[in-house]
Amino acid sequence: AQKVTQAQTEISVVEKEDVTLDCVYETRDTTYYLFWYKQPPSGELVFLIRRNSFDEQNEISGRYSWNFQKSTSSFNFTITASQVVDSAVYFCALSGSGYSGGGADGLTFGKGTHLIIQP
Amino acid sequence: EAQVTQNPRYLITVTGKKLTVTCSQNMNHEYMSWYRQDPGLGLRQIYYSMNVEVTDKGDVPEGYKVSRKEKRNFPLILESPSPNQTSLYFCASSLLGQENTEAFFGQGTRLTVV
Repeated sequence: AQKVTQAQTEISVVEKEDVTLDCVYETRDTTYYLFWYKQPPSGELVFLIRRNSFDEQNEISGRYSWNFQKSTSSFNFTITASQVVDSAVYFCALSGSGYSGGGADGLTFGKGTHLIIQP
Repeated sequence: EAQVTQNPRYLITVTGKKLTVTCSQNMNHEYMSWYRQDPGLGLRQIYYSMNVEVTDKGDVPEGYKVSRKEKRNFPLILESPSPNQTSLYFCASSLLGQENTEAFFGQGTRLTVV
């Protein structure tokens, strides 16, 4: 079965600090997809990024960057120069080809990391 | 505008009173699913559907039913709600397989069963 672990339940930093959210995953699928979603206090889920298992290139989007390392089964998310608006719960998620169970194309979510950015 | 629409957004009901949460998408997606979100547990898949008339159980299906009579709609049915089904529910849709770039989520339905 697939599994996603976000070991950090809550992180609190002061504005402008850099912060990294960890995500470790388990799957037996050879092809899989990794995602990050943001859930602000309003409750909706905001898509941030999708990464294919065969593409280990790191990605940068403004203040956000993602480090995908297949060797350690990790897909970490870094926010540079954090801002109060970054305060939210962040979810890492995994979907596979369905051979590992959990429903083909269904997302297996981590438990989320609550990020608090203090002014 | 591409979207997934859930209704209602908020619902308070009593134990045992049947209810339906509707979900509709306008992107012609094959894949639709329901998740529930509980504190400390993240989101867990309840049911999913890979196409019309094709549905299957996710990780936590007990106490729920779904149907997929049309491609755009995927209602979640609680025949006899209980307090342990108090949760935040999300409907999602996406393309299948390699074409799946992201799951589009509805705004969520906050259900309270008293």
